[in-house]
Amino acid sequence: AQSVTQPDIHITVSEGASLELRCNYSYGATPYLFWYVQSPGQGLQLLLKYFSGDTLVQGIKGFEAEFKRSQSSFNLRKPSVHWSDAAEYFCAVGGGSNYKLTFGKGTLLTVNP
Amino acid sequence: DTAVSQTPKYLVTQMGNDKSIKCEQNLGHDTMYWYKQDSKKFLKIMFSYNNKELIINETVPNRFSPKSPDKAHLNLHINSLELGDSAVYFCASSLRLTGNTEAFFGQGTRLTVV
Repeated sequence: AQSVTQPDIHITVSEGASLELRCNYSYGATPYLFWYVQSPGQGLQLLLKYFSGDTLVQGIKGFEAEFKRSQSSFNLRKPSVHWSDAAEYFCAVGGGSNYKLTFGKGTLLTVNP
Repeated sequence: DTAVSQTPKYLVTQMGNDKSIKCEQNLGHDTMYWYKQDSKKFLKIMFSYNNKELIINETVPNRFSPKSPDKAHLNLHINSLELGDSAVYFCASSLRLTGNTEAFFGQGTRLTVV
């Protein structure tokens, strides 16, 4: 069965600091990996995705993520966080003929001024 | 134009009532989903439909009945509502059924059962 672990429930960073949100997945074949962001009271917006190819993927809002097969990880990074990045971040995995996304439990990001 | 829209955004109802949530997508996608987000923000798939055909039913109580009149619409009807049904319900759609396609989510319907 596929699963996603986001080890950090809550992370606090200062505005302008760098950010890394961790994601580990379990999937038997080549995974398709996603990061979504949810602002308070909003739906989920896709930040970036990995299907194949270059293991470093760029997304919207200055985010990037790196797929590391050997570590079963897909960590999200941003070099300089803005106050508007405060939100809940979800990592998700899907794959091949699998018909669903499995989400991690989310990481809440707080940004201090 | 809103890609995936669901109504209502908020729904407060008493235990035992029956309610429906509507979802429409204007993206021309073949596949639609219902996800449930609980009070701890955990997202779990409930159903998926592909071209109006039920593909996934994730052991959801049969009080929940999805209906897809066409591939642009996927409604969720809930009978005999219980306190534990309180959650945010998200509709989503994707171009096709397979995993290498992103899902687009609606804004969610916050259901509160009192």
